[in-house]
Amino acid sequence: DGGITQSPKYLFRKEGQNVTLSCEQNLNHDAMYWYRQDPGQGLRLIYYSQIVNDFQKGDIAEGYSVSREKKESFPLTVTSAQKNPTAFYLCASTQTGMHQPQHFGDGTRLSIL
Amino acid sequence: AQKITQTQPGMFVQEKEAVTLDCTYDTSDPSYGLFWYKQPSSGEMIFLIYQGSYDQQNATEGRYSLNFQKARKSANLVISASQLGDSAMYFCAMREPGGTSYGKLTFGQGTILTVHP
Repeated sequence: DGGITQSPKYLFRKEGQNVTLSCEQNLNHDAMYWYRQDPGQGLRLIYYSQIVNDFQKGDIAEGYSVSREKKESFPLTVTSAQKNPTAFYLCASTQTGMHQPQHFGDGTRLSIL
Repeated sequence: AQKITQTQPGMFVQEKEAVTLDCTYDTSDPSYGLFWYKQPSSGEMIFLIYQGSYDQQNATEGRYSLNFQKARKSANLVISASQLGDSAMYFCAMREPGGTSYGKLTFGQGTILTVHP
């Protein structure tokens, strides 16, 4: 079955540590996205990528970095510069087209140790 | 500037009754798309329904329908015959075209729906 796989499901970060969240899709979608969700809040866009080897900052990119070396993969690194990383992170992908919905992974919950 | 507004932090409905979740939006572009997603407590985002700005009729998908009032810039989700499994957070989102933002969604703050037996 086609879909988006995020791993790990739960992740713990120590102070000063960088951690990387994985996102893989086999839907053959061109565009991929990373969102952050704080408790009881909506989704905020961190980074997005329309094509391989190209990505743009979203609304809250500070303290995060991404890469897009393959169409299927869009990993997110939460750097030590992100002072409040505890949140739920969702990865999404979509085909081009106004009516096309974004498809989401099951998310990664990141906490500070 | 906030582009999507969901004014109901929480809503309650009796099982088998209908419920309307409000969503208003703001855009100056004549072409846009509106989406509703459901997020159960497990966290995944489930796509429910889509309405395009040029669509003449209100969208429907099973028990979900969208009350689209373009002049008022509102796109309310109507869930008919509520079920216990409908209890979740519901998000309204908007997509605007153009340039590198094509495909990007802006989400509202969400409404928590609780269905009582």
